[in-house]
Amino acid sequence: QSVLTQPPSASGSPGQSVSISCTGTSSDVGGYNYVSWYQQHPGKAPKLIIYEVTKRPSGVPDRFSASRSGNTASLTVSGLQAEDEADYFCSSYAGSNNYMLFGGGTRLTVL
Amino acid sequence: EVQLVQSGAEVKKPGESLRISCKTSGYSFTYSWISWLRQMPGKGLEWMGRIDPSDSYTKYGPSFEGHVSISVDESTTTAYLQWTSLKASDTAMYYCARHMGGASYWFDSWGQGTLVSVSS
Repeated sequence: QSVLTQPPSASGSPGQSVSISCTGTSSDVGGYNYVSWYQQHPGKAPKLIIYEVTKRPSGVPDRFSASRSGNTASLTVSGLQAEDEADYFCSSYAGSNNYMLFGGGTRLTVL
Repeated sequence: EVQLVQSGAEVKKPGESLRISCKTSGYSFTYSWISWLRQMPGKGLEWMGRIDPSDSYTKYGPSFEGHVSISVDESTTTAYLQWTSLKASDTAMYYCARHMGGASYWFDSWGQGTLVSVSS
């Protein structure tokens, strides 16, 4: 089982906004500014879309935003487009023992 | 352009050994950590371990310590993931990934993945 908890699925219509949560503990998500999010299309390698909790790498549309409250991080996709349909994974640093953890992933469907 | 190109798919039997590779280019190899990640069929990502190519220091996830080893060849800017005795449960897609900015906790470039199938 995954250590970080994500909902298995989320959906929205084109143009709408959808948020995906990622719940951990004070030893990972809530304890470090090292939360990241990845987008993975079927049969493809993951792509970094958010790092350091809220930052976007160059080239990632500003429709993707993220935040954190306590031990829960959230990814919001605004103005949904068909190409946003993919799996989304959160990740967090978890200290020197567990090191890096991932969520189980959320399948985003654009209706 | 940063590129990580992994070796091709493998079909192995339980108990066999295996080494898969990740050839890097387009950046200073010794500057950025490289990690390996596992994705079992239909499942999420799991971080296996990482290596610092500048000194070959490795760090493994608790679930993978002692079962795999990670190494690099600086002369060919290639990272490796190795098993000495495969199990059926090692069947998965394996990705190498570069740590963004050198020594961070996120990955900005990924290999295309290597599918490993282990079956008797």
